[in-house]
Amino acid sequence: GAVVSQHPSWVICKSGTSVKIECRSLDFQATTMFWYRQFPKQSLMLMATSNEGSKATYEQGVEKDKFLINHASLTLSTLTVTSAHPEDSSFYICSASWGYEQYFGPGTRLTVT
Amino acid sequence: QQQVKQSPQSLIVQKGGISIINCAYENTAFDYFPWYQQFPGKGPALLIAIRPDVSEKKEGRFTISFNKSAKQFSLHIMDSQPGDSATYFCAAPTTSGTYKYIFGTGTRLKVLA
Repeated sequence: GAVVSQHPSWVICKSGTSVKIECRSLDFQATTMFWYRQFPKQSLMLMATSNEGSKATYEQGVEKDKFLINHASLTLSTLTVTSAHPEDSSFYICSASWGYEQYFGPGTRLTVT
Repeated sequence: QQQVKQSPQSLIVQKGGISIINCAYENTAFDYFPWYQQFPGKGPALLIAIRPDVSEKKEGRFTISFNKSAKQFSLHIMDSQPGDSATYFCAAPTTSGTYKYIFGTGTRLKVLA
């Protein structure tokens, strides 16, 4: 199957700082990339959809000014958590779409202290 | 709000047994129904998916059964192994038509050795 990478795999930051997470599709060009958030023992919650060269579409209740998404190319999307607070601590997972199929990255564990 | 109902929430099976997980969905923009397997601390991995031009799809020990009229589909794991112990998520397309999916609540499978 297709390979999607994320970097970093885990990050600890102080409250009020910003953190950038990168998502790359390594062996295919992704028409669309998605960002999810997952709390312990819960399902995947879609945060936003991003298409290369256009503004991201955010799901209801997700603050677009807090979770900045940039989709610079067909293989790279970034999520920046701005002014992070402890309640932003979570597991963030990206996915890249190849037609109907969606392939997930390994996830990034964010801890805000 | 669109939902995918997944059951059971947790499942314990003896090694060699059959694991069955069920999902029910609502209206969708297109017909493509994947199952994902997730190990702790990892991103979900695409396990198997079905296009409803067929009622069943089999890949190794994994089989998807699909009932379009009932809007239900299920995952069967034959000869379950301890290495299959993971959380399984079904997914169904949203009605938005942008390759977005709604995920089920997840089933935590434990296969006893």
